[in-house]
Amino acid sequence: NAGVMQNPRHLVRRRGQEARLRCSPVKGHSHVYWYRQLPEEGLKFMVYLQKENIIDESGMPKERFSAEFPKEGPSILRIQQVVRGDSAAYFCATLRELSGANVLTFGAGSRLTVL
Amino acid sequence: AQSVAQPEDQVNVAEGNPLTVKCTYSVSGNPYLFWYVQYPNRGLQFLLKYITGDNLVKGSYGFEAEFNKSQTSFHLKKPSALVSDSALYFCAVRDSSGGSYIPTFGRGTSLIVHP
Repeated sequence: NAGVMQNPRHLVRRRGQEARLRCSPVKGHSHVYWYRQLPEEGLKFMVYLQKENIIDESGMPKERFSAEFPKEGPSILRIQQVVRGDSAAYFCATLRELSGANVLTFGAGSRLTVL
Repeated sequence: AQSVAQPEDQVNVAEGNPLTVKCTYSVSGNPYLFWYVQYPNRGLQFLLKYITGDNLVKGSYGFEAEFNKSQTSFHLKKPSALVSDSALYFCAVRDSSGGSYIPTFGRGTSLIVHP
């Protein structure tokens, strides 16, 4: 997980509150992916961003979820008005070149619990 | 569209015995294939990849995987399992003809190695 920092590692929210998850890739890395891991469902793609641009958000729920990756600072995954079903582990990843191919490198994840 | 299937939720093996974790895939073009491992409360760690070339790919911690185009499979193997190999294993695929780099992950297979 070297190079991709996620915080907070654990976040507890009550229903209706907002959750903000942050991802800081290695300096100079401009690609960020967000995935969600739900129990029994594996890892699901949410959104792919490059600096200041959303490239693909086909996996994002239509409401309450948003993501950004500003020119300065970390990428933010924002969940408004959280519900219990949002409880999951959220992983951020960046691209690393390895032997001629791009490989996703993941952070340690942020575990959201909605009470 | 691309997809990946891991038909086993759990694999049990005795320490010292060979292990196999199965993965099949579906893509329109040529596949890029990956295996990742996840230890409890951690992010995903890259194990190995197949891009092109030799069908037998060697990776970290003594793991290897065999690409079989006719069976559209990419099974993960290790000749002699260790208790410390117990973890969650994810197979992932990306269509090499895709315009953006978004791998699709399987549901994961829990490997349990018994002493």
